[in-house]
Amino acid sequence: GESVGLHLPTLSVQEGDNSIINCAYSNSASDYFIWYKQESGKGPQFIIDIRSNMDKRQGQRVTVLLNKTVKHLSLQIAATQPGDSAVYFCAENMGEYGNKLVFGAGTILRVKS
Amino acid sequence: NAGVTQTPKFRILKIGQSMTLQCTQDMNHNYMYWYRQDPGMGLKLIYYSVGAGITDKGEVPNGYNVSRSTTEDFPLRLELAAPSQTSVYFCASSYSRGALETQYFGPGTRLLVL
Repeated sequence: GESVGLHLPTLSVQEGDNSIINCAYSNSASDYFIWYKQESGKGPQFIIDIRSNMDKRQGQRVTVLLNKTVKHLSLQIAATQPGDSAVYFCAENMGEYGNKLVFGAGTILRVKS
Repeated sequence: NAGVTQTPKFRILKIGQSMTLQCTQDMNHNYMYWYRQDPGMGLKLIYYSVGAGITDKGEVPNGYNVSRSTTEDFPLRLELAAPSQTSVYFCASSYSRGALETQYFGPGTRLLVL
């Protein structure tokens, strides 16, 4: 079936460097994508979202890029900090009724000081 | 606002036992959801509700039941616990779907079935 998946299960970066987390999706009908951050022992926390009619959206230190041609989503974190260490999930909204999200498996981001 | 709260935080069940996972939100959100997260995996939708009295199945509903008698509460019921239901369960809520609202998650309930 169609699903959302991630290319890299673990990403290690040096503090201060930029991080890029990638995600592939296969449902061309999905119209909304979200990145969540999950710290150990906590629920997912919203980071940034993007609609399918956009190709880029920026937040505070984070940027999401959407390439619909190759069905690829990425999350860029600028000047990565130790507090950014977490599991990052991309999710796509596939629901016509109800806000039904399909999550990818997640990428672990480890920030080295 | 407390946001989304879940109880208990952790529970051990024997095979065949039943239990109810509680979820409450104080944000007056219409939509509520139950997910399970297995180790090293993303979240899978179990059930969701678009308002009081209305529930629907998600991706993995077998072995679970829900009810939504009030806007605030969305309990998840396990009738006959099985080892395959060992997981972390997250409840979430959002204001609506039409505006593609963000889902807010609770802290999770860790369930171990032995």
